Amino acid sequence: AQKITQTQPGMFVQEKEAVTLDCTYDTSDPSYGLFWYKQPSSGEMIFLIYQGSYDQQNATEGRYSLNFQKARKSANLVISASQLGDSAMYFCAMREGGQKLVFGQGTRLTINP
Amino acid sequence: EAGVVQSPRYKIIEKKQPVAFWCNPISGHNTLYWYLQNLGQGPELLIRYENEEAVDDSQLPKDRFSAERLKGVDSTLKIQPAELGDSAVYLCASSLLTSGGIQETQYFGPGTRLLVL
Repeated sequence: AQKITQTQPGMFVQEKEAVTLDCTYDTSDPSYGLFWYKQPSSGEMIFLIYQGSYDQQNATEGRYSLNFQKARKSANLVISASQLGDSAMYFCAMREGGQKLVFGQGTRLTINP
Repeated sequence: EAGVVQSPRYKIIEKKQPVAFWCNPISGHNTLYWYLQNLGQGPELLIRYENEEAVDDSQLPKDRFSAERLKGVDSTLKIQPAELGDSAVYLCASSLLTSGGIQETQYFGPGTRLLVL
């Protein structure tokens, strides 16, 4: 069974608009962590933001915020005021049991000028 | 602070040849990971080290893949012999496992793109 599902293979957004990238997850472990990584064409996976399952508030890091809806098992990434440099692949990942990361299939985001 | 370093960045070999990838983790990170990323997919864990011990190698195809982390710092991943289907990006990541048993965020290197002809 897919543990991390990213239903949007590709997204196209106008520069300066906000964009939401969807991520749903599946786990029975009460303790888990959710991560978003950005992968530009250069190939490096860049850590963006983290949300712990016990965190009461949604995580924010600059223009990135995580819309964490625990009951729905969703952890959507919101990028405000998108920039051309935001064009990349974005991966949602879950860590359960404190150890292993499991990644989704990714969403390719393209920012249009 | 230096990030995770990997070399080479690109490698082209013929099938049945051996190949090796090298990774130097972030200083102080005791946990090191090797991931395989096929085109259009998310990374999948091959092996995880805590210091010099391989604590999870369940996804490593041991007939042709091997890895080592002899002094608990640098690591090498080897494929022998390589097959066409091994063409992919091999990512190394590192993190800190705290004394309290908390595994902190994983940080990735730039990856090695392997093409097997």
